[in-house]
Amino acid sequence: DAGITQSPRHKVTETGTPVTLRCHQTENHRYMYWYRQDPGHGLRLIHYSYGVKDTDKGEVSDGYSVSRSKTEDFLLTLESATSSQTSVYFCAISEMQTGGYTFGSGTRLTVV
Amino acid sequence: DQQVKQNSPSLSVQEGRISILNCDYTNSMFDYFLWYKKYPAEGPTFLISISSIKDKNEDGRFTVFLNKSAKHLSLHIVPSQPGDSAVYFCAATSTGAGSYQLTFGKGTKLSVIP
Repeated sequence: DAGITQSPRHKVTETGTPVTLRCHQTENHRYMYWYRQDPGHGLRLIHYSYGVKDTDKGEVSDGYSVSRSKTEDFLLTLESATSSQTSVYFCAISEMQTGGYTFGSGTRLTVV
Repeated sequence: DQQVKQNSPSLSVQEGRISILNCDYTNSMFDYFLWYKKYPAEGPTFLISISSIKDKNEDGRFTVFLNKSAKHLSLHIVPSQPGDSAVYFCAATSTGAGSYQLTFGKGTKLSVIP
């Protein structure tokens, strides 16, 4: 299996609380991504990183921030969780040459 | 504004027959296309890809066809097997953009009936 893990796998949190999801890779890939999957929407890009401390916004970045202080870790933070952020979150890594992604197993987040 | 469209949310096919999953795109800058398969409670896994310099790519039972003029691609699975039952996502990217962001369609749920 590709060396990418997400934690936690499941989380229930209350509205208004901050939440941080972690993505860890052992592949030394340059690019890392956070997507959310929702019924009727497929996979939508939240933020991505093209190197340590280099990040940029994706299609649905409002309410989210990211940090990448080490090559292997990409953190996604919900500043103040809302019910609309209930979703399954996937982290992905890629090498530039192929453009294909390897995905983590996902984090199911429920905001109540 | 959906740049990658999978207009069929679901598809049912008999085991042994051909499954054809379709995908349309609107962004003319896209030049690399991929298909991912996703089982419940798992992350998507890469299936097959095609560059815009080709019109066909095969890998075993899976073939992807690209029609650039129509901005259309399709995934053929022959013969279909029950283990192929999953959600299939079409994705596209512009390799010249440098960031290799993939834009995904909404997915098509394939059910292969034994």
